[in-house]
Amino acid sequence: KQEVTQIPAALSVPEGENLVLNCSFTDSAIYNLQWFRQDPGKGLTSLLLIQSSQREQTSGRLNASLDKSSGRSTLYIAASQPGDSATYLCAVRGAGGTSYGKLTFGQGTILTVHP
Amino acid sequence: GAVVSQHPSRVICKSGTSVKIECRSLDFQATTMFWYRQFPKQSLMLMATSNEGSKATYEQGVEKDKFLINHASLTLSTLTVTSAHPEDSSFYICSAIRGASDSNQPQHFGDGTRLSIL
Repeated sequence: KQEVTQIPAALSVPEGENLVLNCSFTDSAIYNLQWFRQDPGKGLTSLLLIQSSQREQTSGRLNASLDKSSGRSTLYIAASQPGDSATYLCAVRGAGGTSYGKLTFGQGTILTVHP
Repeated sequence: GAVVSQHPSRVICKSGTSVKIECRSLDFQATTMFWYRQFPKQSLMLMATSNEGSKATYEQGVEKDKFLINHASLTLSTLTVTSAHPEDSSFYICSAIRGASDSNQPQHFGDGTRLSIL
């Protein structure tokens, strides 16, 4: 059964800092990995999707990497802003077993960027 | 970007009422839609996967007679919580993907429905 772990559970940083969020997964049989952002009381906003054959994806100040063989991904946020404050969720789409075709989510990292 | 619209955003009703939640993909045809439930300070729990024109596949422990899912068209799926009770109070989120669930397309989410049963 796929398990996804995110570290740290919470992070508080001053505005302007570069930061890294970590995600690890136990089963490397995946189609892709997706990073999401969730604001309080809202649904999920897709940030980046990395296919299993890819190593990284970039969008603006966000860069996500994937090392499928070691079961790890990182989300790098450059020059953080107060508007980046949210919960960040990592999810992998399974390519085998009971997780086939489904997203398995981590517990999320709660990010607070203070002015 | 792709948009998934979920309605209503909040429902407050009496115990025993049935509640219907709609999920629409606004700018793409969603072959596959998903329904999730999220408890406070927890991550998303998949309830069921629905494919257009066929019966939904429910996750273990989810009562199919309690949570009725219909995916009648490529742009609409509905979740009906039948005879809702206070323990059904939760945040329900729908999601849609262009293509089959084993595709490499991103999965897009609605804004969720906060269901409160009194």
